[in-house]
Order: sequence, then structure tokens, then C-alpha cells
Amino acid sequence: NAGVTQTPKFQVLKTGQSMTLQCAQDMNHEYMSWYRQDPGMGLRLIHYSVGAGITDQGEVPNGYNVSRSTTEDFPLRLLSAAPSQTSVYFCASSYDRTGGEQYFGPGTRLTVT
Amino acid sequence: EDQVTQSPEALRLQEGESSSLNCSYTVSGLRGLFWYRQDPGKGPEFLFTLYSAGEEKEKERLKATLTKKESFLHITAPKPEDSATYLCAVQQNSGGYQKVTFGTGTKLQVIP
Repeated sequence: NAGVTQTPKFQVLKTGQSMTLQCAQDMNHEYMSWYRQDPGMGLRLIHYSVGAGITDQGEVPNGYNVSRSTTEDFPLRLLSAAPSQTSVYFCASSYDRTGGEQYFGPGTRLTVT
Repeated sequence: EDQVTQSPEALRLQEGESSSLNCSYTVSGLRGLFWYRQDPGKGPEFLFTLYSAGEEKEKERLKATLTKKESFLHITAPKPEDSATYLCAVQQNSGGYQKVTFGTGTKLQVIP
């Protein structure tokens, strides 16, 4: 049981490049989410999903896209990277469809130059 | 505006010196309050969920309590391995989804 896995662990992008952060969970959780964590700020919700085929925006969705084709996977796409997207990104999942108690992945540290 | 404020920002304790971390919140329609532990370079790890004022949860040296305006995480006789950042989060009913707001955390250092 691997829990929530994320790849890559580290990534450096140039402004304007696009990329996909991968997230997978093996706990059969319906709820999955993406957060960003910046110094001095709490974790902020980017997008979330309550099941395959269902996604919605969180607090800071601009510049990011998500899709949920399977229960296990929830990739986050950066369309055109900007320096303001430099952050640590966490994926999480929950057995609670309202997103209560969440289990987090190890994170992806992204730097945009 | 919905807010979650944690204090202190940092706390340094001697091993065995008990203390409390505070999480105060101003949200309407609280559904649940969560405590997480985050080690450097890792994702947050779930500790407790509290749903109503007066509720308490315990795990080893940690005890979480909840009132109508704040939650405390009490650490009894801490050990160096308790050193971490402790995050508080509140969940509320908000439109189409159950909004979760995180605090910025308390960084705890326990010195041998």
C-alpha cells in the first residue's frame, strides 16, 4: 500500500513551458485534491475532484488544469509556467467525499525561472 | 473573512517540558477541525479530527481539544522526535464544496 505518490520530486521550468505533475493513490479514495504551499502562507487549494470525471476549482485555480479519468490518478497541468507558480505542490486524497481527513503525498518542489 | 490563525509561529521546548499550541478560527458553519504534522521536505500527516466544542482526542503525547473559537494541541513531556511543524485546518460548509482553510503552522523544536 503506497498511499499517495507524486512525481517528479523536483522540477525546474522556464517561463512559458508547460508540464504535468503526476499524482496517484491506491486507497480507492473518491476525493482527491491539489494544494500549493508557499512560505508564510497556509496550504491553498488549487483544484479538487470528488470522483472520476468530476473536478472543480479551489481557491487558486488560475494557470492550472486537472482531469480525473480514473479513481487512482489526478494529474495537475501547468499550461504556461510563470515565476509566481514557484512553490511546493501537494496532492492529497480522502475517503471523505467532502474532503475532510486528507492523506498527502510527499510533494513536488517546482521552480520557474 | 474566514481566518485560521496559529500561535506561536515557533516554539522551542526542552525535552519533557509540556506546552500547548493554539489554533483560533473565525469561520461560519464549522464542519470539522483537523490537526496535521509536517516534517521538513514531506507532506502533512493527519493527526486528529474534532467536530464539536468540548471534544478531545489523544494520541501518544498529543491531545487536541476544541472550543467554539479555538483548538489547542497539548504536548505532554515532548521528545526530540516530536519536532515538526503542526498545521491546523478548518472545514466549513461553503457553497458547492466543503471549504478547507489551513493555518500557517507552528514550528516546534524539542531540544534534548
